[in-house]
Amino acid sequence: NAGVTQTPKFRVLKTGQSMTLLCAQDMNHEYMYWYRQDPGMGLRLIHYSVGEGTTAKGEVPDGYNVSRLKKQNFLLGLESAAPSQTSVYFCASSYSVRGNQPQHFGDGTRLSIL
Amino acid sequence: GIQVEQSPPDLILQEGANSTLRCNFSDSVNNLQWFHQNPWGQLINLFYIPSGTKQNGRLSATTVATERYSLLYISSSQTTDSGVYFCAVDPYYGGSQGNLIFGKGTKLSVKP
Repeated sequence: NAGVTQTPKFRVLKTGQSMTLLCAQDMNHEYMYWYRQDPGMGLRLIHYSVGEGTTAKGEVPDGYNVSRLKKQNFLLGLESAAPSQTSVYFCASSYSVRGNQPQHFGDGTRLSIL
Repeated sequence: GIQVEQSPPDLILQEGANSTLRCNFSDSVNNLQWFHQNPWGQLINLFYIPSGTKQNGRLSATTVATERYSLLYISSSQTTDSGVYFCAVDPYYGGSQGNLIFGKGTKLSVKP
């Protein structure tokens, strides 16, 4: 079982460059999330999706865009990377938000902006 | 918004010792999860526990929703238990979308 797969695992960008992080899940989950983790802190929600074709803003959405064109994929885009976006990015998914349906996390993408 | 506070922030144990990690939250929650982030950065689900008690091997967790806290117990600790333990809650207000609010974590170091 692949679970939640994030691509790439590491990336270094220059300020102003753009890139897209890919999250893929093979569990037929409806809900998908993008979080960022900064040193010494817990994760903070960037954007999320409650189903194919839907997206919504989380706690720290500025500077990011997302798309969910297919149920299994959730893309996170940085249009013009800034040093403040240096972080570890985690994708998560869940089948439902009711009942015993925990979120499952990918292994993270380490992104450095120079 | 809801506040999630974890204590202690750091904990050093000798192998074989027991420990209790605490998570306090400031409002009602729809969901509470405990995670272990290992030294390689991976987040591992430990418990989904909005209320009650669960056990999984040497680990157990209890959430008292009415008093807004959760406890994670680690017994007979091993060096592989080292890492950061996070508590995360899904706030009850506004209709749940599953958006988790994380505490800052407890960093556990188990010495051989």
